[in-house]
Amino acid sequence: DQQVKQNSPSLSVQEGRISILNCDYTNSMFDYFLWYKKYPAEGPTFLISISSIKDKNEDGRFTVFLNKSAKHLSLHIVPSQPGDSAVYFCAASLNTGNQFYFGTGTSLTVIP
Amino acid sequence: DVKVTQSSRYLVKRTGEKVFLECVQDMDHENMFWYRQDPGLGLRLIYFSYDVKMKEKGDIPEGYSVSREKKERFSLILESASTNQTSMYLCASSFRTGNYYGYTFGSGTRLTVV
Repeated sequence: DQQVKQNSPSLSVQEGRISILNCDYTNSMFDYFLWYKKYPAEGPTFLISISSIKDKNEDGRFTVFLNKSAKHLSLHIVPSQPGDSAVYFCAASLNTGNQFYFGTGTSLTVIP
Repeated sequence: DVKVTQSSRYLVKRTGEKVFLECVQDMDHENMFWYRQDPGLGLRLIYFSYDVKMKEKGDIPEGYSVSREKKERFSLILESASTNQTSMYLCASSFRTGNYYGYTFGSGTRLTVV
């Protein structure tokens, strides 16, 4: 049973605009969340994280928002750039941090 | 920076062959993982290991086994490769730095079984 879900398989955005990628989870015990970015034929690379004690974390053009009551997190990319075109995975873990559960990914295309 | 190295980027194997996928990490991490990535299915956990000679089944262990004889090396074995094991295989090592933790992934091995 998929505990972390990304319901949008793909997203297209114009360069310079905002990209919003969404992620939902079912296990209320998850307390740490990550976003990874993956280019074709490469391994995923860490993008940004957020702990459940926060509702927002920002790193440059990337901001992650966490809504614990809705069991929902989102990644905002502003402004979007063509180099952001990739598959984005969200992941969640319990307080052990030993195992992460991944979503199915959202393929973002930023159109020049 | 932690480096996770997967020995092959691309492999083509025949049905029924025994296949070894090797993964090495250089930061003395205890936890290592094998995932496969398929379109529409995301990253699915095959096996993981918390220490030398220890292994735990993930969500899709059927048709796979693993070996961890040394802390830095975690091998995935396809006992008898089948076409439905054609996939991208990703090895990861988990890190923890204070309150921050996550995975470092290798570059992946694209396996094609013909």
